[in-house]
Amino acid sequence: DAKTTQPPSMDCAEGRAANLPCNHSTISGNEYVYWYRQIHSQGPQYIIHGLKNNETNEMASLIITEDRKSSTLILPHATLRDTAVYYCIVRPYNNNDMRFGAGTRLTVKP
Amino acid sequence: NAGVTQTPKFRVLKTGQSMTLLCAQDMNHEYMYWYRQDPGMGLRLIHYSVGEGTTAKGEVPDGYNVSRLKKQNFLLGLESAAPSQTSVYFCASSYNRGYSYEQYFGPGTRLTVT
Repeated sequence: DAKTTQPPSMDCAEGRAANLPCNHSTISGNEYVYWYRQIHSQGPQYIIHGLKNNETNEMASLIITEDRKSSTLILPHATLRDTAVYYCIVRPYNNNDMRFGAGTRLTVKP
Repeated sequence: NAGVTQTPKFRVLKTGQSMTLLCAQDMNHEYMYWYRQDPGMGLRLIHYSVGEGTTAKGEVPDGYNVSRLKKQNFLLGLESAAPSQTSVYFCASSYNRGYSYEQYFGPGTRLTVT
């Protein structure tokens, strides 16, 4: 699986957009980009995933660069409840081994 | 729907004792997984199952055994607990939908081995 690099921590003001970067320069053609988050000590929660096109759902948007070597998760209007550790994961669609790194700890401040 | 549930929520074991963690899901998912999470680290896959009666090793399988006798249940066993197995254990499940493999996680079991 491709290795991912994320900043260890980020802050964001409440109501502003949170942009979380992920570098995956060794990604292969059949590998998807997944984002999960873990709030406090709860189980991780799926957010979004994509292959090469930008994706949007009710939680977030995923922007993948044209060369697919990096991506950005966007929370359009961050709230205090979005404070969590965000994990960027890259793996083939038919691979059951989800490799979580250390993630980015996002703190949303009032 | 209860989603994914885990039993127990907390447990303290002495070195050498054994125990079984139970994971149950009511979403009719084919796939189930066991992860461990050590302090300050991401999750690591222990074992997983792609269907009833089948199991496979993940990234860190040593010291653990699993069984999937029923589709809705996935058991994780520690035969002889060691302090290195102190961790939070998460169970997850997912559909098999081709490209879509979103995993749904349980609340976790916090295990301490003294």
